[in-house]
Amino acid sequence: QQQVKQSPQSLIVQKGGISIINCAYENTAFDYFPWYQQFPGKGPALLIAIRPDVSEKKEGRFTISFNKSAKQFSLHIMDSQPGDSATYFCAASPTGGNKLTFGTGTQLKVEL
Amino acid sequence: KAGVTQTPRYLIKTRGQQVTLSCSPISGHRSVSWYQQTPGQGLQFLFEYFSETQRNKGNFPGRFSGRQFSNSRSEMNVSTLELGDSALYLCASSPQPGQQETQYFGPGTRLLVL
Repeated sequence: QQQVKQSPQSLIVQKGGISIINCAYENTAFDYFPWYQQFPGKGPALLIAIRPDVSEKKEGRFTISFNKSAKQFSLHIMDSQPGDSATYFCAASPTGGNKLTFGTGTQLKVEL
Repeated sequence: KAGVTQTPRYLIKTRGQQVTLSCSPISGHRSVSWYQQTPGQGLQFLFEYFSETQRNKGNFPGRFSGRQFSNSRSEMNVSTLELGDSALYLCASSPQPGQQETQYFGPGTRLLVL
């Protein structure tokens, strides 16, 4: 019940295209859903996050879509750029704590 | 404001040894969490500390332990190292538990066990 399932494992997108990464969770106690971006040799960096009271959140080229009934959320990267090439992790956390349960990661490559 | 600092950044140990990793949180942050990152298992939660107390613990054997000091700095210790303990160990800090939006990760300590 603690799992967060992430897909796809890897993704190749052309520059200017839309990158879409999906996650699904089981634990209904989760109420915080962040996406992290990680470059080689670096720690994960918070990209964007959402709570279940909204169905969508947009920050610049990054959008989270959240479907509470389906227990799914996704990251959309619009106008993907080569600099977006990184590994992306979805995660989930319950109320009041900082324990993050991570998805398995998606390696995104944006080609010219 | 300085970010989360982890020392050392790289470490090589042999099986059976023990290791201590250090994490200095962002100034003013009192909650510290530790994660293990491996290619096979991904990012897994180890423990969370706040006000020198362990609030939460992940599913790791007792060889993995941690502590937090009064200045919020934290250490984790792994005893009797195994080859499978080779990983990137990440520390994250936030002002308090539950303030996930202001939780930041350090660069990690890469541990290689030979």
